[in-house]
Parts: sequence; structure tokens; C-alpha cells
Amino acid sequence: SAVISQKPSRDICQRGTSLTIQCQVDSQVTMMFWYRQQPGQSLTLIATANQGSEATYESGFVIDKFPISRPNLTFSTLTVSNMSPEDSSIYLCSGLLNRAQETQYFGPGTRLLVL
Amino acid sequence: QKEVEQDPGPLSVPEGAIVSLNCTYSNSAFQYFMWYRQYSRKGPELLMYTYSSGNKEDGRFTAQVDKSSKYISLFIRDSQPSDSATYLCAMSEGNTGKLIFGQGTTLQVKP
Repeated sequence: SAVISQKPSRDICQRGTSLTIQCQVDSQVTMMFWYRQQPGQSLTLIATANQGSEATYESGFVIDKFPISRPNLTFSTLTVSNMSPEDSSIYLCSGLLNRAQETQYFGPGTRLLVL
Repeated sequence: QKEVEQDPGPLSVPEGAIVSLNCTYSNSAFQYFMWYRQYSRKGPELLMYTYSSGNKEDGRFTAQVDKSSKYISLFIRDSQPSDSATYLCAMSEGNTGKLIFGQGTTLQVKP
């Protein structure tokens, strides 16, 4: 398995500002992902974080709003830009350890409240 | 129609009961099937994964996949209050690593 940590664990932000969330994995993972989980809802994939190249975004998510970096195999950041109250959510990163098993491990999440 | 359907519950059972959690899906390209457990204010924790039809057992947990019916289940035997959590099914086609999640079922096991 993999242990994944996220910083910050929670934050309260003002609308119009940006927040960068960090994700650190304790071992090298083949793929990293960012998900959003709105209150009482399931997880929705935002993007695949690609090492050394631009992230691959899912429908409804764009790079200008959610820029992502992945400089190496164990670290990634997600920025939530120009925030509005609708961005209040839990943001989770995950790592895919073994492509043969397709098993992903998740971080604890970052709880974001935008006022 | 969502790709993955899961009854959100909530589901309340007495301690010691057998719990059955289910998901149906529409995408026949899904090959990998997982169950995650999520406690309140925590990230999802991988419980079980499988990639073939049939049963897979791990302690009190049994995962069942029926690809012909596009139906997966998670059974919990001798349920405990510590099993109280939200259970999420997740599926992948296997070529991108992307997971599609069900809505999650909230389970409460009463002592």
C-alpha cells in the first residue's frame, strides 16, 4: 500500500483568492489523480496529474481553474483559482501503485470552505 | 443514466447482522472493481478489489462480481459498530487508471 498526505488539511478562504493543495506519497506511484467530493456526494475525478507534462482534465474541469503540477513521481499540487463558494468541497489526491491491480490509495483530503 | 448506480441508504443494522451492499453499472468495459470505506472526515480506504467474476473473501468481507449482470456486491459478516461508515464502490476500465465511483452507501451498525 501507499501512504498519502495532504496539506493543508482544511482552510477557509475568501472568494476571488487561490489555494494550492499539496499531495505527497511515501513511495513512487505510476499515476496520481485529483478528485473532488462535494458534501454528501461521491468522488468526481478532476484530472490525472502527469509527471513533467500538462495534466489531463475531465469534462467540466479546466486548467485555468485547477492548475496541476507533478514535478516527480511522489509529489503533486492542485491549485483552486479565483475561488467562489461553489468551490467549497473536499479535494482528494490519489496514487495508483500497481497498474496490474489498478488499486488506488487516497489521501485524507483537504476541506475547503469559500466565503 | 449514471455509469455506476449505488443505493445511498442510509442502512441501519444491528450488531452481528450480515450486510449486503450493491452497485450496478452500465459500462461493459469496466474490468476492475473496488470497494472503499470512508469514515467521517477521512479519505477513502481501499477494502477490496477484484478483476474477475466470482467471489473474493477477506476476513469478514466478501466481494462478489457478476459481469454478465453488471452487478457487484460487498457482504459484511458479523457486522460491528466500527463498520459504521460510507461504503463506495468504484470501477475502472483499466487502461487509464481512472476510477468511476458510486454514490456511496452510509451504513450504521447499532450495538
